[in-house]
Amino acid sequence: AQTVTQSQPEMSVQEAETVTLSCTYDTSESNYYLFWYKQPPSRQMILVIRQEAYKQQNATENRFSVNFQKAAKSFSLKISDSQLGDTAMYFCAFMKQLSSNTGKLIFGQGTTLQVKP
Amino acid sequence: SQTIHQWPATLVQPVGSPLSLECTVEGTSNPNLYWYRQAAGRGLQLLFYSVGIGQISSEVPQNLSASRPQDRQFILSSKKLLLSDSGFYLCACVRDGYNEQFFGPGTRLTVL
Repeated sequence: AQTVTQSQPEMSVQEAETVTLSCTYDTSESNYYLFWYKQPPSRQMILVIRQEAYKQQNATENRFSVNFQKAAKSFSLKISDSQLGDTAMYFCAFMKQLSSNTGKLIFGQGTTLQVKP
Repeated sequence: SQTIHQWPATLVQPVGSPLSLECTVEGTSNPNLYWYRQAAGRGLQLLFYSVGIGQISSEVPQNLSASRPQDRQFILSSKKLLLSDSGFYLCACVRDGYNEQFFGPGTRLTVL
């Protein structure tokens, strides 16, 4: 069975600085997807970034980028130039890629990030 | 693009009462649909998923059930609520053409 672990329950960063959130996972699959979701105080789940395991290039979305280390089963999220609106809970998630993909997500326990002015 | 509606947004129910939470999806057809529960300050736990009308898969044994009477409608139910059913319930669908899930706004359930 797949598991996702986020070892940092809480983190804080000063506005405009850079912060990295950690995520490790365990799987025997070779093809899969990894995601970072953001949950602000409104509790709406928002997709931040996705990574396909078959791609060696790390995904980037504006100020958000990942460091995907497939052999180490590590998938960290880097937030550059942190903004107050980045304050939220961040979840790492795993999805298997199957021929009949049911699309089930397995989530980590989350990291609460506070951006300080 | 898809839009997910969840109703109601907030619900307070006594122990032993029935439950019905509704999720409807717009902008797509034949989506995979999911129900998640999130306890306070915790991660999301997948409860049920459905790949089509009348097709329900349960991920964890519990007091809840799910049904999919129409292509874009997913319902979470209980005959008798327990205190442990309290939480934040999120409905999600797989975004058209992508292997990623898109979430609704959620329902906050408090069982007293």
